[in-house]
Amino acid sequence: EVQLVESGGGLVKPGGSLRLSCAASGFTVSTYSMNWVRQAPGKGLEWVASITSSGNYIFYGDSLKGRFTISRDNAKNSLFLQMNSLRAEDTAVYYCAKQRSAGNSPNDYWGQGTLVTVSS
Amino acid sequence: DIQMTQSPSTLSASVGDRVIITCRASQSVSSWLAWYQQKPGKAPELLIYDASSLESGVPSRFSGRGAGSEFTLTISSLQPDDFATYYCQQYNSHSPGTFGQGTKVEI
Repeated sequence: EVQLVESGGGLVKPGGSLRLSCAASGFTVSTYSMNWVRQAPGKGLEWVASITSSGNYIFYGDSLKGRFTISRDNAKNSLFLQMNSLRAEDTAVYYCAKQRSAGNSPNDYWGQGTLVTVSS
Repeated sequence: DIQMTQSPSTLSASVGDRVIITCRASQSVSSWLAWYQQKPGKAPELLIYDASSLESGVPSRFSGRGAGSEFTLTISSLQPDDFATYYCQQYNSHSPGTFGQGTKVEI
């Protein structure tokens, strides 16, 4: 059974950093493209970052302006999101998601999400 | 970036109603479009992919149509479990996989 479990969220002050983790089971993260998607309180879904199965291509949403870094540890079968210079507008539930197949494909499995709150 | 626009933003309906939600892309995304359902406090769930393919386990009352830049999600007979928010997402271009703003289906 495919499972994604995020962790690492919490309360952080503006300008601070946080590292989110996503532990995968039931599949191998290096076989699929993986994504981070966030949702601010009461708002819609916003794509944050992607890493392809090969790891050769990494993409970020324009609003991140180089503050976030997506990475993967194949040995731990995990996905990560390093978030620096955090702002109040980064407050959101952060989901990791697995793409359905190689190439153009949607997200077929999602974690339960981890809440990041940026506030002084 | 490709922009996705859903309509309506909110939809009031009753059990048994036929419901149609529209998603328009700012440029062609071919058939690289998905629909998700999200309930409060839960992660989104994939309903439809490649514009019209039903994800395994999803009831057949859900269907998707369209290609290019205009798409629809239809619920043929609304059930109590279907009251939720629905999002479209394009995945034509890898960066980014933009979502529509969502359509809340309420009683």
